[in-house]
Order: sequence, then structure tokens, then C-alpha cells
Amino acid sequence: AQTVTQSQPEMSVQEAETVTLSCTYDTSESDYYLFWYKQPPSRQMILVIRQEAYKQQNATENRFSVNFQKAAKSFSLKISDSQLGDAAMYFCAYRTDNTGKLIFGQGTTLQVKP
Amino acid sequence: ETGVTQTPRHLVMGMTNKKSLKCEQHLGHNAMYWYKQSAKKPLELMFVYNFKEQTENNSVPSRFSPECPNSSHLFLHLHTLQPEDSALYLCASSQGLGTGIGRETQYFGPGTRLLVL
Repeated sequence: AQTVTQSQPEMSVQEAETVTLSCTYDTSESDYYLFWYKQPPSRQMILVIRQEAYKQQNATENRFSVNFQKAAKSFSLKISDSQLGDAAMYFCAYRTDNTGKLIFGQGTTLQVKP
Repeated sequence: ETGVTQTPRHLVMGMTNKKSLKCEQHLGHNAMYWYKQSAKKPLELMFVYNFKEQTENNSVPSRFSPECPNSSHLFLHLHTLQPEDSALYLCASSQGLGTGIGRETQYFGPGTRLLVL
């Protein structure tokens, strides 16, 4: 069965600095999708970034980028120039096949210090 | 604003009550999902609907009864709940169940925070 692990329950970063959140997953599939979602205190789950496993190029969205290491089954999120509004819980998620199932990690709470 | 709305945002109910959660998506999607988010636990998928048909029931107790009258609306009917059912219930939608060209990306509503007394 596929699993997603986020080993950092909490992280903190100074405003304007860079932080990296870790995510590893376990799968025997070769074709799948990976996501990072952000859940601020409002509890709204917001898509941050998406990566197709067949693409070697790492996805980027403005200040957010990923380091996708397929062989190591690692999918970390880098947030550059951290802002106070980045404070939230971040979830890594995995998706394959045509069932629609998204498998989530336990989440990492990110604190941004002014 | 993700294009997925949920009502009510907060709900307190007794164990003998019957209530319903509503989800509506304005994205033209065909697949809709219910998730449960409990404290200190990963999100758990409950139900999946595709073109109004249920395709996944993740061993959810029968006191939770989903209904999908059309591709834009999804309901979760609640009856005789237990205190351990208190959680945040999230609705999501995607273009479909397939993958590729963004179809697999799920967009979430703001959730309904449910408290069962």
C-alpha cells in the first residue's frame, strides 16, 4: 500500500529566509502525481504545487519549488523569501490510478517568525 | 476562493440529531469527494463520486450517508453520530477520476467543523 510520511511535525523559519519541508513516500507504481497543500488557520486546503512523476524537471510556483527525487521517493518543498502569510500546516499528498484517491501525510506546521 | 463552497461552516449536534452537510462546486468538475480530518490524524478519504455515481466508500459507518444529485452538488447526511465523529469535514472536486493535464488535481472547500455532543 502507498504511504506518505512527513517526518517534521513542526518547523520554523525567519521571515525572508528559506525553509525546506520534507516528504517521503512509498509506492511500487511508476506513474503518479505528488502535491503539496497548505492549510492556514482558516482550515481552507489550498493547492501549492503539483508534480508529475514522469517529469524530471522540478515544479516551481513563484516562491515555491520542489526537489523531486524519484529513485529516493522523496518530494521536498522549498519556500523562498518566507512571508508571514506562509504560516500554515503543509500536507504532502500522493495520487495514482483512476480511483481519485489522494493519500496524505501527517502534515508539517510551519511557523514564520517576524 | 477555490470554487468549492461548503455549508454550514460550523455545526454542533447531539447524538440523536439528523443534519446534513452541503458542498457545491462551480468549477465544472465531474468528481467530488468527502474527507474527514481529525486532530492529529492525516486526512481520511470517505467517499468518491464520479458523474453522480459513487465509486468509493472507504469503509465509512452507515451513520454517514452521502448523496450526489448532480455533478455540482454533494451532501453528507448525518444521523446518530458519536462524539468521536467530531472533526473537520472537507469536500473536494476534480475534473474527473483520470489523470493527466490537471484532471487529477483536487480543489477543496473550506470545510465544516462538526462537534457532536
